[in-house]
Amino acid sequence: GENVEQHPSTLSVQEGDSAVIKCTYSDSASNYFPWYKQELGKGPQLIIDIRSNVGEKKDQRIAVTLNKTAKHFSLHITETQPEDSAVYFCAASIPPTGNQFYFGTGTSLTVIP
Amino acid sequence: EAQVTQNPRYLITVTGKKLTVTCSQNMNHEYMSWYRQDPGLGLRQIYYSMNVEVTDKGDVPEGYKVSRKEKRNFPLILESPSPNQTSLYFCASKPGTSGNYEQYFGPGTRLTVT
Repeated sequence: GENVEQHPSTLSVQEGDSAVIKCTYSDSASNYFPWYKQELGKGPQLIIDIRSNVGEKKDQRIAVTLNKTAKHFSLHITETQPEDSAVYFCAASIPPTGNQFYFGTGTSLTVIP
Repeated sequence: EAQVTQNPRYLITVTGKKLTVTCSQNMNHEYMSWYRQDPGLGLRQIYYSMNVEVTDKGDVPEGYKVSRKEKRNFPLILESPSPNQTSLYFCASKPGTSGNYEQYFGPGTRLTVT
């Protein structure tokens, strides 16, 4: 099956700085890559996703980039705020897309006021 | 309010005592799935269901059973729990199996098997 690796496992940034989380995947057939944010005591929540026919997607302060050749994708958060502190998970889905999901091991992001 | 609910939220049990964790969604979603979350391992998919009476194994199905008799419910059954099934479990649902892939997660069930 697919193998998704995520780095770093922990990340601390000053408020206002940018944060970048990187993931790699092993199966070149993977074609959907969501990012989830998990706050303490809650279930993961989708924050942004990208499909394999797109190289970059942006939604306000967050963006995701995908390099299919290198099989890696990254989450970029700009102008970080304390409420961005959470655990972030990347994931990949292989065809038939949207049935099976493989998650990274998570990144605990702390934004220091 | 559109949501995925799980019960119980916390459960402590002993090895071998059968248990069921319920999952229900009120969004008329076709797809439902179960995950377990363990420190350092992220989320791993246990089973998923694309519709009533249609279920498939995920990455870590051993030791678990599921059923999908109604569209809204997708219970997770541990017929003989073992300590290595101590984990945080999440149920999720999404509208269908093509197009919209956003999953909605429940609040989680923390299971301890002693």
